[in-house]
Amino acid sequence: EVQLLESGGGVGQPGGSLRLFCTASGYTFRNFAMSWVRQAPGKGLEWVSSVSGSGANTYYADSVKGRFTIARDNSKNTVSLQMNSLRAGDTAVYYCAKGRLGIVDSAFDYWGLGKLVTVSS
Amino acid sequence: SYVLTQSPSVSVAPGKTATIPCGGDNIGTKTVHWYQQRPGQAPLLVIYYDSDRPSGIPERFSGSNSGNTATLTISRVEAGDEADYYCQVWENSNSRQVVFGGGTKLTVL
Repeated sequence: EVQLLESGGGVGQPGGSLRLFCTASGYTFRNFAMSWVRQAPGKGLEWVSSVSGSGANTYYADSVKGRFTIARDNSKNTVSLQMNSLRAGDTAVYYCAKGRLGIVDSAFDYWGLGKLVTVSS
Repeated sequence: SYVLTQSPSVSVAPGKTATIPCGGDNIGTKTVHWYQQRPGQAPLLVIYYDSDRPSGIPERFSGSNSGNTATLTISRVEAGDEADYYCQVWENSNSRQVVFGGGTKLTVL
């Protein structure tokens, strides 16, 4: 059974940093792309970032480019999201999502339960 | 940047058919995926590659995509189908980015 478990995050200050982790199980992790998708309170889904199965290719939304970094460790079945220069607008539930394929151009077929990140002074 | 437009809400009586459109410039040339999100839950993939259903998704869910509109159709709607539905594409014109529609709230009357 595929499972995705987010950890980390929490409360951060404007201009500060936080890191999210997602630990995957139940499938061959390195064969599939991974992504982060967020949802601000009462709002819709917003894609944040994706990484290919090998980790060689990464992609970012314009709203986080230059501030967030996605990375994966295929030896540990984990993907992380380093979030720097935090803004109030980054406050959201962050979901880890598995791609159907190794390349990023695919649907997200499994999602974690989500982790709340709050940016506040 | 590419924009996907969804109606904020759709209402349908139980047993009837719900049609949820997703508009985008020449969206018929792109691959569309659909997600269901019930209140307080994570999204669930219900349609991928315009019209394919993941295992476990009822045949009542179907999708189509042509011209400037992709459509999610739910036949014989049940109370449990009440949720937010989002369309999604990968945009490859300038840089690879994911685009989500704003979501449609399906209310079962």
